[in-house]
Amino acid sequence: DAGVIQSPRHEVTEMGQEVTLRCKPISGHDYLFWYRQTMMRGLELLIYFNNNVPIDDSGMPEDRFSAKMPNASFSTLKIQPSEPRDSAVYFCASSPQTGPTQYFGPGTRLTVL
Amino acid sequence: AQKITQTQPGMFVQEKEAVTLDCTYDTSDQSYGLFWYKQPSSGEMIFLIYQGSYDEQNATEGRYSLNFQKARKSANLVISASQLGDSAMYFCAMREGRAYNTDKLIFGTGTRLQVFP
Repeated sequence: DAGVIQSPRHEVTEMGQEVTLRCKPISGHDYLFWYRQTMMRGLELLIYFNNNVPIDDSGMPEDRFSAKMPNASFSTLKIQPSEPRDSAVYFCASSPQTGPTQYFGPGTRLTVL
Repeated sequence: AQKITQTQPGMFVQEKEAVTLDCTYDTSDQSYGLFWYKQPSSGEMIFLIYQGSYDEQNATEGRYSLNFQKARKSANLVISASQLGDSAMYFCAMREGRAYNTDKLIFGTGTRLQVFP
């Protein structure tokens, strides 16, 4: 079975550029989560969706960040404009409606110069 | 207030020995879940084991077991017969119950485990 798929795996961009991270959850999972991992703040939730609807976006740092889930098999996290402090590993995770466990994708390592 | 506490930044264990990684949590919810994830140097987050607050038996998954002590609010991970491939960061996480109307995981700061021959 395919796990959570994220692309790209690595992204290097310059300050001010738009960055789009992509995620395909595990088929049949109803929940999708976006997390960010940094040395300073550890792992923190940015936003999550249930059945494609955003439920909690309180972790989104500021208006430069936006996330969408146009269908059950695809989600994007966009940063516009990007800043060096956005450099981190961004994880997407998904979980089924019937179970608590979240399964993580491999992550996208973002570097903003 | 920090809800998940992992007090051991680093642990060493010899191959084939058992090791316990500590985790304490704080919640006033009666229904919650506790998780352990492994993050090797390659960076992915690998789910290891889950314990529900109402589960009477401690969870086990192969060489992993969760020592759940509800009254003490601790959920320690025990790895038996350590292997070199167990060297990684280990994160404890909690998901509070529906009373908080959230499904997010709250993570601890992690413990780096190093297994030596």
